[in-house]
Amino acid sequence: NAGVTQTPKFQVLKTGQSMTLQCAQDMNHEYMSWYRQDPGMGLRLIHYSVGAGITDQGEVPNGYNVSRSTTEDFPLRLLSAAPSQTSVYFCASSYSSDRGHEQYFGPGTRLTVT
Amino acid sequence: GNSVTQMEGPVTLSEEAFLTINCTYTATGYPSLFWYVQYPGEGLQLLLKATKADDKGSNKGFEATYRKETTSFHLEKGSVQVSDSAVYFCALAFSGGYNKLIFGAGTRLAVHP
Repeated sequence: NAGVTQTPKFQVLKTGQSMTLQCAQDMNHEYMSWYRQDPGMGLRLIHYSVGAGITDQGEVPNGYNVSRSTTEDFPLRLLSAAPSQTSVYFCASSYSSDRGHEQYFGPGTRLTVT
Repeated sequence: GNSVTQMEGPVTLSEEAFLTINCTYTATGYPSLFWYVQYPGEGLQLLLKATKADDKGSNKGFEATYRKETTSFHLEKGSVQVSDSAVYFCALAFSGGYNKLIFGAGTRLAVHP
C-alpha cells in the first residue's frame, strides 16, 4: 500500500492564482482531512470528510474548498491564493471518524504564495 | 474551548539522557490523547495514544500516562537516541465529535552523540 499520497511536494503561486492540492489514499478509509502547519501553531484543521459526498469545515476553512467524490481522493482547492496561505499542508485519513482512531498523514505539500 | 499546550522547544539532549516533554490540555468531556512525531522531511506518524484516564500509551521506549486530575499527558523516554531527533506533537480528539485532532504547537527535540 502507498498509504496517503500528496502532490505536488512543493508549489509557488502568485497572489490571486488558483490551484488544487491532490490527496489520495489506498487504505479504503472513510475519514479524510486537511491540515495546515504553521510555525509555532502546530497543525490546524481546514476541512474534513466522513465519507464520499460528505464534507464539513474545520477550524480554518476560509479561502479553501473541498469535495469528496470518491473514497480515495480528497482534493483541496485554493480559489484565489493569498500570502497568508503560505504554509505546509498535510492530508490525513483514518479508518473511522470515532475519536481515538489513528490518523495516517501524507508527506505534505509546501506552498509559498508571493 | 479545547486546546493543547506543550512546552516550548527546542529541547537539546545528549544521547542516553532522560526525556520529558510536557503536555497539558483543556477539553470538555473526555478526549482521547495522542503523541505524534514528525521526522525531518516527513509527515506525522502516531507515536502513542491513550483513550481514557489512567491509560498509559507506550511505543519505541516512549511512554505517556493520561492524567485526568492534572489534565496532562507528558511524554517520557528513559534513554534517547540520535534517531529520536524530531518534532513531537501532543494532540487530542474530543468526545462528541468526529475524529478531529487539536494539536499543540510542537516541540523540537535534538539529540547529540
